[in-house]
Amino acid sequence: SQQGEEDPQALSIQEGENATMNCSYKTSINNLQWYRQNSGRGLVHLILIRSNEREKHSGRLRVTLDTSKKSSSLLITASRAADTASYFCACKTGANNLFFGTGTRLTVIP
Amino acid sequence: NAGVTQTPKFQVLKTGQSMTLQCAQDMNHNSMYWYRQDPGMGLRLIYYSASEGTTDKGEVPNGYNVSRLNKREFSLRLESAAPSQTSVYFCASSGDYARDTQYFGPGTRLTVL
Repeated sequence: SQQGEEDPQALSIQEGENATMNCSYKTSINNLQWYRQNSGRGLVHLILIRSNEREKHSGRLRVTLDTSKKSSSLLITASRAADTASYFCACKTGANNLFFGTGTRLTVIP
Repeated sequence: NAGVTQTPKFQVLKTGQSMTLQCAQDMNHNSMYWYRQDPGMGLRLIYYSASEGTTDKGEVPNGYNVSRLNKREFSLRLESAAPSQTSVYFCASSGDYARDTQYFGPGTRLTVL
């Protein structure tokens, strides 16, 4: 069964707007990671947040983690057409396996 | 540095045929992984190799076998392909099993008729 579930499944915004994607998970985690996948390509690691962290930034990316609610969010600020991709959260559990969610498909309209 | 490479990029098989998907990494990583990705679903782990000489089952291992040929190479074999194995297969590697960032190959799109 899937550990992470993203919401929404699809998101369409105008260039320059912010995009927010959410991830909920079921059991305790060591860390939570976000990956990006361009159409027809492999996944690329974006950012990792550990279970004892609440917020992390990397460029235009901001990730938050709320372990009490078992949820995380990824915010992409000032979106660009090149941000169009699918975004996946992945939860690292105590067994050290990485479980991926079903993804959010983001479309940024120029 | 090529990173993680996979061959072939595309493959069509008939039910019952066998094939091996190849994966190689040039980052001197200890751990390697095989995932499958089906439409509308995230990646699911098939098998992994935490270090050279070891392999372990992931979430969906049935119908597959793997070989960690050396530190660089990790192959996935389908002995008797079934239509349910139609999917996109991704290989990934990481510095070690407990270390966190995985690097992915471009994928192999497999269709089983």
